Amino acid sequence: EPEVTQTPSHQVTQMGQEVILRCVPISNHLYFYWYRQILGQKVEFLVSFYNNEISEKSEIFDDQFSVERPDGSNFTLKIRSTKLEDSAMYFCASSPFTSGGVENIQYFGAGTRLSVL
Amino acid sequence: LAKTTQPISMDSYEGQEVNITCSHNNIATNDYITWYQQFPSQGPRFIIQGYKTKVTNEVASLFIPADRKSSTLSLPRVSLSDTAVYYCLVGEGDTDKLIFGTGTRLQVFP
Repeated sequence: EPEVTQTPSHQVTQMGQEVILRCVPISNHLYFYWYRQILGQKVEFLVSFYNNEISEKSEIFDDQFSVERPDGSNFTLKIRSTKLEDSAMYFCASSPFTSGGVENIQYFGAGTRLSVL
Repeated sequence: LAKTTQPISMDSYEGQEVNITCSHNNIATNDYITWYQQFPSQGPRFIIQGYKTKVTNEVASLFIPADRKSSTLSLPRVSLSDTAVYYCLVGEGDTDKLIFGTGTRLQVFP
């Protein structure tokens, strides 16, 4: 069964450093997403990406964050100048299509645990 | 803005049927109802989706009444491995983002 893969599974970084979280979405999917989940809290939407551009982003996704699809398979989330409060699980998801919430089935990766020290 | 309300937690025993009900009073006409399961330190996993009446797949059933203001996820004969958090989600209009609530934490005992 095809799946979304994320690397690394755990990333430890020093405050102020830049990190890049990587995702390989399911191959025939067209829509890509990043979510985060702070320990013990809800899963929160960060950004959606389609056709090489951001289609939607949350208020969390400020100038510190950026996304990129550098080639035909990878989808990355870059966090510049990390802060302690960026420590969380970051999940990548992909879906074959989207129609504004209708039949929007997203498939999630196992996540990257980011620890900012 | 569609919102969902679910019980915070539920307990069950192995072999029992578990029904988790979700309220979504403001669901829009074209919104689907989707359920996800999440184990600790893992990403949410799609379980089932439906629009109306009843949907069944290999792991669960979803019951949706005619007014669509609620839905019930039914897990037949749960096992210990079904211990997880279950999320009910509905569409958010023209957006493609998923809005997760706090979910229902299901604990299955032997």
